[in-house]
Amino acid sequence: DTGVSQDPRHKITKRGQNVTFRCDPISEHNRLYWYRQTLGQGPEFLTYFQNEAQLEKSRLLSDRFSAERPKGSFSTLEIQRTEQGDSAMYLCASSKETGGWEKLFFGSGTQLSVL
Amino acid sequence: KNEVEQSPQNLTAQEGEFITINCSYSVGISALHWLQQHPGGGIVSLFMLSSGKKKHGRLIATINIQEKHSSLHITASHPRDSAVYICAVATDSWGKLQFGAGTQVVVTP
Repeated sequence: DTGVSQDPRHKITKRGQNVTFRCDPISEHNRLYWYRQTLGQGPEFLTYFQNEAQLEKSRLLSDRFSAERPKGSFSTLEIQRTEQGDSAMYLCASSKETGGWEKLFFGSGTQLSVL
Repeated sequence: KNEVEQSPQNLTAQEGEFITINCSYSVGISALHWLQQHPGGGIVSLFMLSSGKKKHGRLIATINIQEKHSSLHITASHPRDSAVYICAVATDSWGKLQFGAGTQVVVTP
């Protein structure tokens, strides 16, 4: 596998439930990014990791959201007590720190629907 | 107000036509990305640029840093070019991008 993989592809949940998504970056990539995209809009930055350290979080990331990247490999994004407004495509991307240009590679996303 | 504005929002072209998508931004940037998104979510990076012009196949991307403007051109468009094209800018971290809303391109045979 040479790409960024995300699991699951689709998730339907009831309001108030917790959900967790997983992202597996390209193996040698040390930077990992999470974005959220709602219908008809461009993605919005949520958070990013360099290795296992979470370096930045957007104000969009309320305290119901938590992201982890244990051991600097795969990452998980958890949403607690989901709300209908959380319905969106959650995208993951990874890159390799080069000290210069870094090309981003995106996963196919997890489509979340909160009923 | 979004700091990255794209135009047009939607574009329909006939196969073979020349297509231009524009992107204007209002912040200082370290790089500008052009991305392609197909139905189902998959995003592919087409170009990263900070000056001048880049060409890949039938795609050409240009940027004018002074005017804070970039364009993506598709020459000899083909139905397989139908997708959403997104402009995004990096202001500090390479991957912490601010995205435009995208341009839906439909190329008809």
